[in-house]
Amino acid sequence: AQKVTQAQTEISVVEKEDVTLDCVYETRDTTYYLFWYKQPPSGELVFLIRRNSFDEQNEISGRYSWNFQKSTSSFNFTITASQVVDSAVYFCALSDPYNNNDMRFGAGTRLTVKP
Amino acid sequence: DTEVTQTPKHLVMGMTNKKSLKCEQHMGHRAMYWYKQKAKKPPELMFVYSYEKLSINESVPSRFSPECPNSSLLNLHLHALQPEDSALYLCASSQDLGTGAFAGYTFGSGTRLTVV
Repeated sequence: AQKVTQAQTEISVVEKEDVTLDCVYETRDTTYYLFWYKQPPSGELVFLIRRNSFDEQNEISGRYSWNFQKSTSSFNFTITASQVVDSAVYFCALSDPYNNNDMRFGAGTRLTVKP
Repeated sequence: DTEVTQTPKHLVMGMTNKKSLKCEQHMGHRAMYWYKQKAKKPPELMFVYSYEKLSINESVPSRFSPECPNSSLLNLHLHALQPEDSALYLCASSQDLGTGAFAGYTFGSGTRLTVV
């Protein structure tokens, strides 16, 4: 069975601090995809990144970076120099295109960035 | 057009009412999804449509009735709901099922439903 765990329910930081959101996943499959989505108060889920199980290369996009480690089944997300606009709920998700095609979400981490 | 549009944005309905949620996309996507999200919880899959046919029904009560009249439109018909059905209902789409699983979905901003 697939499972995604985001152990941090809420994180609060002050603007310009770096913050890391943890994501640990479980799956028996060798092919799978991991995602991060951002959900601002407006409600829509905004796609941030996708990573497949064969690509462990870390990725950086501006102030965002992701660390994928298959050995620890983790896909952590770091925001550098956080800003107030980063305040949102962040979801890590897992999908398996060869088993269930749906996406399973973690419980989410609510990030509050204070000015 | 790279959006999924959901209407209405907010809906309050009584337990005896019948209402419908609407979702529309013009990206040529052939897979569409309904998710339910309770407050402070992650989205939970309800239904999946692939090429206008119901592909997955995650044991959703019959008071929720999905409909996909064409490739661009997805409806969720609501009847005799309970207060515990109050939630954010999110629609999503992907190019197709397989693509969605590895490329991710495009989500709408949801309908906030309150059942009184």
